[in-house]
Amino acid sequence: AQTVTQSQPEMSVQEAETVTLSCTYDTSESDYYLFWYKQPPSRQMILVIRQEAYKQQNATENRFSVNFQKAAKSFSLKISDSQLGDAAMYFCAYSQIYNNNDMRFGAGTRLTVKP
Amino acid sequence: DSGVTQTPKHLITATGQRVTLRCSPRSGDLSVYWYQQSLDQGLQFLIQYYNGEERAKGNILERFSAQQFPDLHSELNLSSLELGDSALYFCASSVGLQGSDTQYFGPGTRLTVL
Repeated sequence: AQTVTQSQPEMSVQEAETVTLSCTYDTSESDYYLFWYKQPPSRQMILVIRQEAYKQQNATENRFSVNFQKAAKSFSLKISDSQLGDAAMYFCAYSQIYNNNDMRFGAGTRLTVKP
Repeated sequence: DSGVTQTPKHLITATGQRVTLRCSPRSGDLSVYWYQQSLDQGLQFLIQYYNGEERAKGNILERFSAQQFPDLHSELNLSSLELGDSALYFCASSVGLQGSDTQYFGPGTRLTVL
């Protein structure tokens, strides 16, 4: 069974600095999707970024980028120029390629941004 | 705003009671998912419906049931409630069933069982 592990329960970063959140996963599939979701204090789950495993190029969305290491089964999220509004829980998630009905989430990393 | 709506936002009830949570998916989305998030934990997949039919079950208790109606809205029914059922319940929707079909989440319903 696929599992997703986030080994950092909490992280903090100074405003305008860069922070990297870690995620590892376990799967026997060769193709799949990986996601980072953000959950601010409002508790809304917001999609931050998505990576397709068969694409070697790392996904980027403005200040958010990923470092996808397929062989190492690692999928880290880098937030550049951190802003106060980035403070939230961040969840890494895995989805199979042919069906998305069993999306697996990690336990989350709570990010604090210090002014 | 994801386009997925959930009602009510908050629900407080007593042990042994039954409640119904409602979800309306984004326009055009056929697939609906229900997740449970207990305090400071990740999301656990409960159940999925696609175009009115149940497609997959996750860690859903027998006391819980769901359905998707012809207008594609979905309801999650929780019965014989226990203290441990207190959680945030999310609904998500997607266009289809493929892994490439991103799930968009509603704002959640916070259930408190006293």
